[in-house]
Amino acid sequence: AQKITQTQPGMFVQEKEAVTLDCTYDTSDQSYGLFWYKQPSSGEMIFLIYQGSYDEQNATEGRYSLNFQKARKSANLVISASQLGDSAMYFCAMREGRYIQGGSEKLVFGKGTKLTVNP
Amino acid sequence: DGGITQSPKYLFRKEGQNVTLSCEQNLNHDAMYWYRQDPGQGLRLIYYSQIVNDFQKGDIAEGYSVSREKKESFPLTVTSAQKNPTAFYLCASSPFYSNQPQHFGDGTRLSIL
Repeated sequence: AQKITQTQPGMFVQEKEAVTLDCTYDTSDQSYGLFWYKQPSSGEMIFLIYQGSYDEQNATEGRYSLNFQKARKSANLVISASQLGDSAMYFCAMREGRYIQGGSEKLVFGKGTKLTVNP
Repeated sequence: DGGITQSPKYLFRKEGQNVTLSCEQNLNHDAMYWYRQDPGQGLRLIYYSQIVNDFQKGDIAEGYSVSREKKESFPLTVTSAQKNPTAFYLCASSPFYSNQPQHFGDGTRLSIL
């Protein structure tokens, strides 16, 4: 079964508007972490935002915020005031369990959403 | 500046040939990882290492090998046993026992001649 589901293969948004990228996850662990990464066409993966399963507040980092709904197992990324430079692939990823066989953070990635910001 | 360096950026492999992708980090991170990305797909874990001289198979380790002789270095060898090696390969690192995100290199794009 897919652990991370990103149902939107592609999204379009007008510059300066807000956009929400969906992510649902599947885990039976009580302790887990959720990450969002941005991948421009050049290929590097850029970390955007992190949400821990025990964090009571939704995470925010500048124009990025994470709409964390634990009961629904969703962790949607909200980008406010979109910019042309936000056009990229966006990946949701999950780290299960506090420690994986000694501590490494094994991440499971979704298939991504391609965001296009129109001028 | 601290970071992860992957080389080369582009690599071409002939049939039956082994090739090695380099990954070096100066972030003093204990854990290092190799991922494979196919077009339109997310990342899949090939191998990871938590400490020097130790590494674990990920989800798609067949046809690949790694070594971790130094903390800073985690090279990946794509062997001739990997029948479909054309992909984008990303190396990452992270501190041990933390919620810090994995930091990624710029990737190596491997193609078959």
